[in-house]
Amino acid sequence: DVQLVESGGGLVQPGGSLRLSCVASGLTVSSNYMNWVRQAPGKGLEWVSVIYSDGNTYYADSVKGRFTISRDNSKSTLYLQMNSLRVEDTAVYYCARDHGGFHIWGQGTMVTVSS
Amino acid sequence: QSALTQPASVSGSPGQSITISCTGTSSDVGGYNYVSWYQQHPGKAPKLMIYEVSNRPSGVSNRFSGSKSGNTASLTVSGLQAEDEADYYCSSYTSSSTVLFGGGTKLTVL
Repeated sequence: DVQLVESGGGLVQPGGSLRLSCVASGLTVSSNYMNWVRQAPGKGLEWVSVIYSDGNTYYADSVKGRFTISRDNSKSTLYLQMNSLRVEDTAVYYCARDHGGFHIWGQGTMVTVSS
Repeated sequence: QSALTQPASVSGSPGQSITISCTGTSSDVGGYNYVSWYQQHPGKAPKLMIYEVSNRPSGVSNRFSGSKSGNTASLTVSGLQAEDEADYYCSSYTSSSTVLFGGGTKLTVL
């Protein structure tokens, strides 16, 4: 079975940093378009970032320059390094595999930015 | 990057059909056949219902169908059932190599 499991969420102060991880089983992270999508409490889905199989990366304007997506093929893991966190970054963060649509999602990890 | 436009809510009675629209621009919905639809129940991760405008993933009921005309995509749910009550989101690939989601539509089965 293909599965994605996120971790690394928690409570952080504004201006702080956090690194999220997404461990993949049943699929090769480096061969897929892997994304991060977030959902603020009571709000809709917001796409955050993608890393293509060729290594190219793209970001939403709201996180550009603050967040970095990366992967470790040997660990089958996708990462999201989040710096200069803001209150408005508070959300559940999902990783998702894109194959013409986000076919596979993790269960999400909650990030709370608050003083 | 403005979100795609969806109605905030739609409703229908069991057995009826409803359609949810998703309006974008020529730089996203109108320019690519990479429109997807997701169903999300409270507290759950989203589930892909339609991809590439009109394709259904394995296991998704054929009561769900998708289409596109110009800059507007649509999701139709026929033969409404109680378990269809959920939030629905559209998404589209964009000319900036990013992805845009719609604001979401709450489907109520009366």
